[in-house]
Amino acid sequence: AQSVAQPEDQVNVAEGNPLTVKCTYSVSGNPYLFWYVQYPNRGLQFLLKYITGDNLVKGSYGFEAEFNKSQTSFHLKKPSALVSDSALYFCAVRALGRSTDSWGKLQFGAGTQVVVTP
Amino acid sequence: NAGVTQTPKFRVLKTGQSMTLLCAQDMNHEYMYWYRQDPGMGLRLIHYSVGEGTTAKGEVPDGYNVSRLKKQNFLLGLESAAPSQTSVYFCASWDGASYEQYFGPGTRLTVT
Repeated sequence: AQSVAQPEDQVNVAEGNPLTVKCTYSVSGNPYLFWYVQYPNRGLQFLLKYITGDNLVKGSYGFEAEFNKSQTSFHLKKPSALVSDSALYFCAVRALGRSTDSWGKLQFGAGTQVVVTP
Repeated sequence: NAGVTQTPKFRVLKTGQSMTLLCAQDMNHEYMYWYRQDPGMGLRLIHYSVGEGTTAKGEVPDGYNVSRLKKQNFLLGLESAAPSQTSVYFCASWDGASYEQYFGPGTRLTVT
């Protein structure tokens, strides 16, 4: 069975400093990996994905993530954090299965709260 | 193009009452999902649908029912609400071309 772990409940960073949100996964076969962001009282918004190809994936709002197969990780990064990046971040992996039912299903991590202070 | 919309945004129920949450999407997506979000637990899949007229159970289906009579709508029902169903409920639809899920704004449900 696949699983996703976000080892940090909260990440605190000063504005202008680099931001990293960690994610590790466990799947059989090739993973499809995603990052979503949730601002207060809002639904989840897609940030970026890794399906295949280049291990460094660039996404919305200046975020990027690096797929590392040997470490089974997909950490989210931003070189210079903004106060407006304060939000809840979710890593997700596409559930795999033989049936077409599984094609769109995602397994989400527990989420990491990012707090960026001025 | 409204994307995914959910009705209502907030609701308070007494234990034992019933209600239906409505999700609508205008992107012509085949696959739709209902999740619940609880603190520290991420999103857990309740039920999903891979097309009009089809539904399937997710990770936490007990106490919920769903229907997909029209492709654009996915309804989540609570027949007899319990305090354990106090949560924020999200609907999503899946774009098979981009592999992305699109989420609605959520419904905050409190059961007293």
